[in-house]
Amino acid sequence: GAVVSQHPSRVICKSGTSVKIECRSLDFQATTMFWYRQFPKKSLMLMATSNEGSKATYEQGVEKDKFLINHASLTLSTLTVTSAHPEDSSFYICSARDSLGTVNTEAFFGQGTRLTVV
Amino acid sequence: AQKVTQAQTEISVVEKEDVTLDCVYETRDTTYYLFWYKQPPSGELVFLIRRNSFDEQNEISGRYSWNFQKSTSSFNFTITASQVVDSAVYFCALSEALTGANSKLTFGKGITLSVRP
Repeated sequence: GAVVSQHPSRVICKSGTSVKIECRSLDFQATTMFWYRQFPKKSLMLMATSNEGSKATYEQGVEKDKFLINHASLTLSTLTVTSAHPEDSSFYICSARDSLGTVNTEAFFGQGTRLTVV
Repeated sequence: AQKVTQAQTEISVVEKEDVTLDCVYETRDTTYYLFWYKQPPSGELVFLIRRNSFDEQNEISGRYSWNFQKSTSSFNFTITASQVVDSAVYFCALSEALTGANSKLTFGKGITLSVRP
């Protein structure tokens, strides 16, 4: 079945540095991808909708200058956490659905990235 | 605005017991889609089922079954004869479309299921 690959799965970085997370659809094209954030023992909250070839749409309260999203191709979206702080430590998950497939295809999720800022 | 409520936060059962996970949703859309996902300790989200608002038939897949009641806006999930491997966090989710930007998911808070041997 369709697979979404997210990389890295785990990253530890120092405060003030930037971290890039990649989300790839491996065997399908995705004009739209989503980025979610999950705090420990909490639900998944949508951060932004990534649109291929155009600017991402951010949810209310999400700083677009801090969480940079680039969706340069139909199979790749990246999320860059800029000037990371300890409060950015979280589990980030992307999802994508086959743009060219049938309407009934489900959204596939990446494996998630656990970011720890020290 | 869409909302998904999973009132149960943690459930603990003994292996082989049946367990039902509740999900209540709110939406103004006449067409919408409901989902259940499983999140094991490793973190990835595993798709379990999708149901559209026009299909109220209950579904059974092995030990899993789902009861969609539009009249009560509920989409409950039952695991029969639970196993230790069923231990995970289970999320109910809602979207108003299957394509494009409106296919974003609104998640409930999740239910942590622990199945003891």
